[in-house]
Amino acid sequence: ETGVTQSPTHLIKTRGQQVTLRCSSQSGHNTVSWYQQALGQGPQFIFQYYREEENGRGNFPPRFSGLQFPNYSSELNVNALELDDSALYLCASSRGWGGNEQFFGPGTRLTVL
Amino acid sequence: DAKTTQPPSMDCAEGRAANLPCNHSTISGNEYVYWYRQIHSQGPQYIIHGLKNNETNEMASLIITEDRKSSTLILPHATLRDTAVYYCIVRVATSGTYKYIFGTGTRLKVLA
Repeated sequence: ETGVTQSPTHLIKTRGQQVTLRCSSQSGHNTVSWYQQALGQGPQFIFQYYREEENGRGNFPPRFSGLQFPNYSSELNVNALELDDSALYLCASSRGWGGNEQFFGPGTRLTVL
Repeated sequence: DAKTTQPPSMDCAEGRAANLPCNHSTISGNEYVYWYRQIHSQGPQYIIHGLKNNETNEMASLIITEDRKSSTLILPHATLRDTAVYYCIVRVATSGTYKYIFGTGTRLKVLA
């Protein structure tokens, strides 16, 4: 059974640019959640996708958007990057529409200069 | 949005039980308590979860008070590999799904 994978591992961007982060969910999982973890803080919920539709959103502006594909992999897009967007971005997959245990990937470390 | 409060750090001797407390005094009746741990900026790893009753699995035990306002995660025989940040999480319902509300976590150091 393949676990949750994320790419890239690390990324450096400059303020104002756009970034796309990718996540492959664990086999058999159809729900993907994205989290932002700033240094020294707990992860914060960005949004969740279930069967290719956004299914819940945290307190993040619209420049944070996402997609889920028919194979249940997912992308997180962030436009107009700001310095405060520097963080570890975590993807978690689960079976069903969000009420079950979430399995996290290793994360993508984004640095905005 | 914060629903949980945890001590920032704790030490535990190897082989002894590690008892990690969590306060969630504003938890609602249908909100579960989850515990995850994160080792050195890897992705969080699931440990255990519960609603009202105490729970035990191969990794840990979860003790939830009768009023559900607090809980304790117990690692019965801590090893050096248990050194990590432990997050107490409340799972809340939000616009058609559930989301995890993470606290700031407890950094547990297991000492040889």
